Amino acid sequence: GNSVTQMEGPVTLSEEAFLTINCTYTATGYPSLFWYVQYPGEGLQLLLKATKADDKGSNKGFEATYRKETTSFHLEKGSVQVSDSAVYFCALMSNQGGKLIFGQGTELSVKP
Amino acid sequence: DTAVSQTPKYLVTQMGNDKSIKCEQNLGHDTMYWYKQDSKKFLKIMFSYNNKELIINETVPNRFSPKSPDKAHLNLHINSLELGDSAVYFCASSQDPGLAGGDARIFGPGTRLTVL
Repeated sequence: GNSVTQMEGPVTLSEEAFLTINCTYTATGYPSLFWYVQYPGEGLQLLLKATKADDKGSNKGFEATYRKETTSFHLEKGSVQVSDSAVYFCALMSNQGGKLIFGQGTELSVKP
Repeated sequence: DTAVSQTPKYLVTQMGNDKSIKCEQNLGHDTMYWYKQDSKKFLKIMFSYNNKELIINETVPNRFSPKSPDKAHLNLHINSLELGDSAVYFCASSQDPGLAGGDARIFGPGTRLTVL
C-alpha cells in the first residue's frame, strides 16, 4: 500500500543553519506530494506541494523537489529561524480525490 | 475570519461518557474530514464527507459517528468514551477533490480530548 517515511526527530538546529528533512514514499502511479507544517498548539497548514516528477514546490524559503527516481521529496531551507520551530509532515495523495497519507512527522527545534 | 473552526478546543471527560465535537467551515468547500492525531503526532484519516455524503470511512470503532447537517458542518459524536480515545482531533475541509486545488486540506485548530 501507499506510505510515507520521514526522518526521525527531533531535529535541533541553531538559527541560520541549513535544514534538510528527508521524506521518501511508496505509491502506485504518480502521486501528488505535500509538506504540511504544524506550529505548537495549532492545526496543520499546507507549506508546499508538487504534483509531478521534477516539480519543485517552494514557500517561505522552504523548497522540495519531486524525485521519482529516488521516490523522495526532501524538505530544505537555507537558513532557519526560531519561528520555523514546528512539526513538519510529508504527505502523499495517490490520485485526485484520494486519501491524504501522512508521514509520522518530524519535530524541528531552532535555537537562537 | 476563521476558515475552519472547531469547538471545544479542550475536552476532558470520564470514561463511558458520550461527547461531541463540532466543526464548521466558511470556505464554501464541498468536502470535510476528521483526522485523529495520537500522542506521537501520527495523523490518520477517520472520515470524509462530500456534500453531506460519507465517502471515506476508515476502520474506526462504530462508537464514532460523524454527522453532517449541511456541507459547512461536520460534527463528530463519540459514544462510550475509552482511555484510548484520548488524542487531538482535527477537522479539515477542501474543495471538491475532483477539481483543481481539491488536493489541499485546510485544517481547524484541533480539539484535545482527554479521557480520564
